[in-house]
Amino acid sequence: EAQVTQNPRYLITVTGKKLTVTCSQNMNHEYMSWYRQDPGLGLRQIYYSMNVEVTDKGDVPEGYKVSRKEKRNFPLILESPSPNQTSLYFCASNSWGARSPLHFGNGTRLTVT
Amino acid sequence: RKEVEQDPGPFNVPEGATVAFNCTYSNSASQSFFWYRQDCRKEPKLLMSVYSSGNEDGRFTAQLNRASQYISLLIRDSKLSDSATYLCVVNALKANTGNQFYFGTGTSLTVIP
Repeated sequence: EAQVTQNPRYLITVTGKKLTVTCSQNMNHEYMSWYRQDPGLGLRQIYYSMNVEVTDKGDVPEGYKVSRKEKRNFPLILESPSPNQTSLYFCASNSWGARSPLHFGNGTRLTVT
Repeated sequence: RKEVEQDPGPFNVPEGATVAFNCTYSNSASQSFFWYRQDCRKEPKLLMSVYSSGNEDGRFTAQLNRASQYISLLIRDSKLSDSATYLCVVNALKANTGNQFYFGTGTSLTVIP
């Protein structure tokens, strides 16, 4: 089954404790991206990657890091989480081309206390 | 001005009603358009891609008006199960950044028995 898999689904952590949210897709997509979704603000892009070893900042990259060492994986790293990073996070992928829709992972609900 | 704008609603309609959502976009170079459905705290799921003058899938019809830069979603014979948030998503393929997706904040629909 074609899918984007995120882990964990739920995460509660404390300020400053480094964490990683994993994302993997099995569709051989070139393009992967991370979003956060907050009430009233919609989906905002954190980082994106056009291919292996090619990453770039989205609209709200502060406090986040990513890497793309393999085509299928695109982990999101919070080196020192803060309460304002409490949010619902989605990983997404799609293939190159304007007509290709985004495929979303099932989300990670992060709470930073 | 936001790249993509939607009426947030909420729209509360009786079962069996016809309801229409509109979405406007600001980038005239946008190339592809999508409607996604999002249930509470879950990932957005592709409902329909919108091409050229529009398309129909069962009770759902999506239309694109490039001259006025808006897309619409029409739901006929509303079902209780249609209750969700509907996201308008626009893609502009750029040479240096690849896919660039822009999201509306979503329109909330509740279908009432």
